[in-house]
Amino acid sequence: DTGVSQDPRHKITKRGQNVTFRCDPISEHNRLYWYRQTLGQGPEFLTYFQNEAQLEKSRLLSDRFSAERPKGSFSTLEIQRTEQGDSAMYLCASSPGLAARNEQFFGPGTRLTVL
Amino acid sequence: QKEVEQDPGPLSVPEGAIVSLNCTYSNSAFQYFMWYRQYSRKGPELLMYTYSSGNKEDGRFTAQVDKSSKYISLFIRDSQPSDSATYLCAMKRGYALNFGKGTSLLVTP
Repeated sequence: DTGVSQDPRHKITKRGQNVTFRCDPISEHNRLYWYRQTLGQGPEFLTYFQNEAQLEKSRLLSDRFSAERPKGSFSTLEIQRTEQGDSAMYLCASSPGLAARNEQFFGPGTRLTVL
Repeated sequence: QKEVEQDPGPLSVPEGAIVSLNCTYSNSAFQYFMWYRQYSRKGPELLMYTYSSGNKEDGRFTAQVDKSSKYISLFIRDSQPSDSATYLCAMKRGYALNFGKGTSLLVTP
């Protein structure tokens, strides 16, 4: 399967703990995105990488959130001191670097539950 | 008011019906328009992608964009029970996609 992969698929944690999610984009895609989706809502944009550079961050990405893409391949999203309001599906997407190709392809998501 | 509005439904239709799903938007800067299908507890799957006014057809799916009215539609012909899912419209300016809430569709045999 050459699609976007995410790990873990599910994470249950206690309030105050730190969690880290991983995303592996489609190979050759140099653009990578993180979104958050809560129940009954569409995904909301969190951040965008082009290669290893983080070029855009949403105001939703509070100081407790940090994302990296150290070698321009996989990416990690860390949430520190989790809160119950962080419970959501965290989605990763990737797209080719060609200007004419703007489609974003999503992974299966990581479902986070904060108790 | 959100930039992208989509009726959440649910919408229930019999198998074989033509389904019409719609979104409106307020920001004329949106240039690219997409429809995603999302099954329960899965990631969104790209169905259709357009960047101009008019129609685009792919199998049983037709995407329609009317930029003058800020209105987009997705039509599904000969709907099947396997089409039962949530359909999300998405619009793009810059890097980020702006999604509607999604419309829940149920196709009954």
